[in-house]
Amino acid sequence: KQEVTQIPAALSVPEGENLVLNCSFTDSAIYNLQWFRQDPGKGLTSLLLIQSSQREQTSGRLNASLDKSSGRSTLYIAASQPGDSATYLCAVRPTGDYKLSFGAGTTVTVRA
Amino acid sequence: EPEVTQTPSHQVTQMGQEVILRCVPISNHLYFYWYRQILGQKVEFLVSFYNNEISEKSEIFDDQFSVERPDGSNFTLKIRSTKLEDSAMYFCASLGQHNQPQHFGDGTRLSIL
Repeated sequence: KQEVTQIPAALSVPEGENLVLNCSFTDSAIYNLQWFRQDPGKGLTSLLLIQSSQREQTSGRLNASLDKSSGRSTLYIAASQPGDSATYLCAVRPTGDYKLSFGAGTTVTVRA
Repeated sequence: EPEVTQTPSHQVTQMGQEVILRCVPISNHLYFYWYRQILGQKVEFLVSFYNNEISEKSEIFDDQFSVERPDGSNFTLKIRSTKLEDSAMYFCASLGQHNQPQHFGDGTRLSIL
C-alpha cells in the first residue's frame, strides 16, 4: 500500500523567503504525482502535475521536482507572498491505478 | 476554464437519514471519483467510476454508499443511513486523459447530528 508523507507539517516564513516543501512516498511505481493547494475549509486546487518520466515541472513561481527512485518530490515556491499561505498537499497516482493517495499536507504561513 | 461543481456546499442531516451529494464533472471527462476528508485528516479515496460502473472502491465504501451517473452529466454519491462518523468534507473529482491532472470540486461539507 502506498504511503505518502509530508514534512514538515507546518512552516512559517517571512515574506520574500523561498519555500521548500517535501513529499515522500513508499512505492516508487508511480504514474504521476500531483501537488495541490487547499485553503481553509475549501476545495483542492491543482498546482502542478509531474509525470513519472519527468524530473521537474514549473509554473510561474512554482517548481516541482521528482526523484522516483528515492521516492521523493519537492515543491519550491520562490519569493513567497502572504497570499501563498495555505495547506499544500502532495498526491501520488500509482502505476496501473487511477486513484490518488494523499499526504497529510504542509500548512504554510507567510508573514508580512 | 472548465471546472467540477458540487452541490450543496454544506449539508446538515440527522443521523440515520439518507443524503445525496451531487457533482457535475468536467464535460468531456471519463473517470469520476469521490474522496472524503475528515476534519484534520488526510484526503482519502472512496470510489472511482468509469464506463457507467464502479472501477474501484475502498474499504470505507461499504453497502451504505452508492454512486450513480443518472443522466450523463451528474455524478451522485448516496449515503443510505448516515452515521456520526460520516461527517466530513466530500470531494468529487474527474479525469480526462490518463496523463492529465485530476480536477477537484470545492467539496460538500456533510455534518451529521
